[in-house]
Amino acid sequence: DTAVSQTPKYLVTQMGNDKSIKCEQNLGHDTMYWYKQDSKKFLKIMFSYNNKELIINETVPNRFSPKSPDKAHLNLHINSLELGDSAVYFCASSPGTAGNTIYFGEGSWLTVV
Amino acid sequence: QQQVKQSPQSLIVQKGGISIINCAYENTAFDYFPWYQQFPGKGPALLIAIRPDVSEKKEGRFTISFNKSAKQFSLHIMDSQPGDSATYFCAAYPLDDYKLSFGAGTTVTVRA
Repeated sequence: DTAVSQTPKYLVTQMGNDKSIKCEQNLGHDTMYWYKQDSKKFLKIMFSYNNKELIINETVPNRFSPKSPDKAHLNLHINSLELGDSAVYFCASSPGTAGNTIYFGEGSWLTVV
Repeated sequence: QQQVKQSPQSLIVQKGGISIINCAYENTAFDYFPWYQQFPGKGPALLIAIRPDVSEKKEGRFTISFNKSAKQFSLHIMDSQPGDSATYFCAAYPLDDYKLSFGAGTTVTVRA
C-alpha cells in the first residue's frame, strides 16, 4: 500500500493553463505538506496543513492554492501556469507533533511549455 | 536564504570506500537533524536522524556525527555500495516547528 500517493505523476501543460495535483495519505497523519523541488534538486516547503488548518504558507505566488478537504487529503491547484513553475512537486505527511519524520510521496513532474 | 549549508554538491567514491557529506547550520533553535535519501524518480525517504543530545548515531553502514558547539553534522557511508548511489539531503528543524529546512543535496555516485 502506498503511504503518500499523488496524481498525476507526470503533467505537461501549456503556459496560462490551470492544473491540479491531488494527494492522499493513508498513514493517519495529522499534518500534510507540499514541497517544490527545482531543477537543481533544491527542496523548498510551500504549504503545510494540520488537521485541515493552514499552518505554513511560504512566499508562494497566490496562483498556487492548496485545499485540504480532510486530514488525509491535500490538493494543490495552480492557476495561470508559467514556465518557471516547471518542477517536481512533492506531497508529504507527518504525525501531528512537530519534529517528526516527514514521509514523502513519489512526486509530480510538472512541465510547462 | 538557505538555513542549512551542505557540501559537497557531488562526490564519486569507489565501491567499498567511505562517503562523507557535511552540513552546517546557524539556527540554534534547530533540534532535530534528519538525513533523507532520494533515488532518481522517487521522493526523499528518511535514512537516519539525530537529536543534539548525542554526538553520534549509527545505523548499519550509515553514521551521523554531530558537533553541537560547531553547529555541524555529517553523514558517513561506510563500505559504500553501488546501490547507495543517490542524492542525500541533510535537514533540520526546531522541535516546535513543522518547517523542515533542507540542505542543497549531495549526489553520491558509487563506482563498482
